[in-house]
Amino acid sequence: AQTVTQSQPEMSVQEAETVTLSCTYDTSESDYYLFWYKQPPSRQMILVIRQEAYKQQNATENRFSVNFQKAAKSFSLKISDSQLGDAAMYFCAYRSASSGTYKYIFGTGTRLKVLA
Amino acid sequence: DVKVTQSSRYLVKRTGEKVFLECVQDMDHENMFWYRQDPGLGLRLIYFSYDVKMKEKGDIPEGYSVSREKKERFSLILESASTNQTSMYLCASSFATSRKAPLHFGNGTRLTVT
Repeated sequence: AQTVTQSQPEMSVQEAETVTLSCTYDTSESDYYLFWYKQPPSRQMILVIRQEAYKQQNATENRFSVNFQKAAKSFSLKISDSQLGDAAMYFCAYRSASSGTYKYIFGTGTRLKVLA
Repeated sequence: DVKVTQSSRYLVKRTGEKVFLECVQDMDHENMFWYRQDPGLGLRLIYFSYDVKMKEKGDIPEGYSVSREKKERFSLILESASTNQTSMYLCASSFATSRKAPLHFGNGTRLTVT
């Protein structure tokens, strides 16, 4: 069974600095999708960024980028120029690309604090 | 804009009560999910539905049931609420046609069982 591990329960970053949140996963599959979700204090979980395992190029969305290391089964999220609005819980998630599967497997989350 | 709406943000119920959590999505998504979120445990899947009247158990279905009579609506039912069901409940939906499609979440319902 697949698992997702976020080993940092809490992180802090100074405003305008860069922070990296770590995520590792375990799977025997070769094709899958990885996601980072953000849950601000308002509670609605929103998608930050998505990576397709068969793509070697790391995904980027504005100030958010990932470092996808398929062999190491690592999927870290880098937030550049951190802003106060980035303060939230961040969840890493895995989904198999196999047909007939539907589960998104989530990590336990990392709470990011942004210091003014 | 995509919208998943959960009927209540906060609920307080007594032990033994039957509790209904409602979720509606307006995106014509085939898949709908109920998750439970607890500190340190992340999101755990309770039930999943891939079509009207179709459902599958997730990782923690005990003490819960679901109903999906219409495509846009997915209800979570606590048959007899217990204090260990005090938690945050998140509803989500997604397209079935693309496995890379992300989940769209509602705002969550914080349920307290006393």
